[in-house]
Amino acid sequence: QITLKESGPTLVKPTQTLTLTCTLSGVSVSTRGVGVGWIRQPPGKALEWLAFIYWDDDRRYSPSLKNRLTITKDTSKNQVVLTLTNMDPVDTATYYCAHRQVTIGDLDYWGQGTLVTVSS
Amino acid sequence: QSALTQPASVSGSPGQSVTISCTGTSSDVGNYNYVSWYLQRPGKAPKLMIYDVTKRPSGVSTRFSGSKSGNTASLTISGLQADDEADYYCSSYTSSNTLVFGGGTKLTVL
Repeated sequence: QITLKESGPTLVKPTQTLTLTCTLSGVSVSTRGVGVGWIRQPPGKALEWLAFIYWDDDRRYSPSLKNRLTITKDTSKNQVVLTLTNMDPVDTATYYCAHRQVTIGDLDYWGQGTLVTVSS
Repeated sequence: QSALTQPASVSGSPGQSVTISCTGTSSDVGNYNYVSWYLQRPGKAPKLMIYDVTKRPSGVSTRFSGSKSGNTASLTISGLQADDEADYYCSSYTSSNTLVFGGGTKLTVL
């Protein structure tokens, strides 16, 4: 059984950097074909994809946010970390991480999400 | 990349069929068979319903089916049930191997 769990601050101030961690169990982030993505959803709005990192360390970023995003993985802890710099109130959203097996599907397992509010 | 275009809302009565469209471009939906559909209930994480345009993950009802024509993908739900009421999102991979979502469609079961 694959599970993912997001962790990080619930409140950040404008201009600060957000760091979120996704901890996986039931699958290794270094297993061939495995990818982990971050997706966010502002309250009452649509899903927005942010970034992917794959087993081979290939990284993909949303073109509109790539200057502010960094995604990394820690294979020893089986975690994926997302950082988003220069936070703004418009970045207030529920942030999800999700698992992807490249060869056999899409985002098939999701974390429960974590709400991050940007406010001074 | 721009978000894929979905109708804001659709509705249907129990037992009927409804179809939700998802329009992209030749840089995403039109040239790649990597369209997925997600169901999201209030306060919950999305659930994968369809991937690779037409494939259903294990456990997803056969009432859900996907298709694609040109730059537009579609999700059809047959035999509509009250429990199908939710928000539905499409997604597609792009020529840059990035991902783009649609704006979401609220399905109301009358």
